[in-house]
Amino acid sequence: DAKTTQPTSMDCAEGRAANLPCNHSTISGNEYVYWYRQIHSQGPQYIIHGLKNNETNEMASLIITEDRKSSTLILPHATLRDTAVYYCIVRDQTSGSRLTFGEGTQLTVNP
Amino acid sequence: GAVVSQHPSRVICKSGTSVKIECRSLDFQATTMFWYRQFPKQSLMLMATSNEGSKATYEQGVEKDKFLINHASLTLSTLTVTSAHPEDSSFYICSAGQVLGGETQYFGPGTRLLVL
Repeated sequence: DAKTTQPTSMDCAEGRAANLPCNHSTISGNEYVYWYRQIHSQGPQYIIHGLKNNETNEMASLIITEDRKSSTLILPHATLRDTAVYYCIVRDQTSGSRLTFGEGTQLTVNP
Repeated sequence: GAVVSQHPSRVICKSGTSVKIECRSLDFQATTMFWYRQFPKQSLMLMATSNEGSKATYEQGVEKDKFLINHASLTLSTLTVTSAHPEDSSFYICSAGQVLGGETQYFGPGTRLLVL
């Protein structure tokens, strides 16, 4: 599976948009981009995933560049409860459902 | 999204005893479930892949005789930590996959194990 690179930490003001970047320059054509988050002492929570098109759901938006080498997770109106570690993971279909977690980005939403 | 539960949420045991952790997919069937371990301030590390009706596949460095996995039905996988020692104290998390345009994995809430 392709490796991803994320900033170690980010801060965001409550009510503002949080934009979390992820680089996956070695992604292959059949790999999806998945985003999860983990609030302290809880299991990871699925946020969103995509292959090549931008995606939006009730939690967030996922913007994938045309060359698919990077993506951005957008939380449009961050709240204090969005403080968590956010993981960007790319997954090869041939390896089934295997997810390989990196270090992620610690997002802190400040009042 | 799909719901995955784990039981117990927290367990404290004496060194040398065995502990069983259950992982259930509540509203979907999962032929494959995964077990992860997470130490403080670290990321999740995959321990093993649990396959319904067949033997689990363990990651390199994970002792299969110490971490027994049983996946007897499409909604239940169990992880038994045998002869637990203090170094096995950790946060154990399971996940199960639901086919949804690439088989999204959903995670349980985790089990905190403390071995005294």
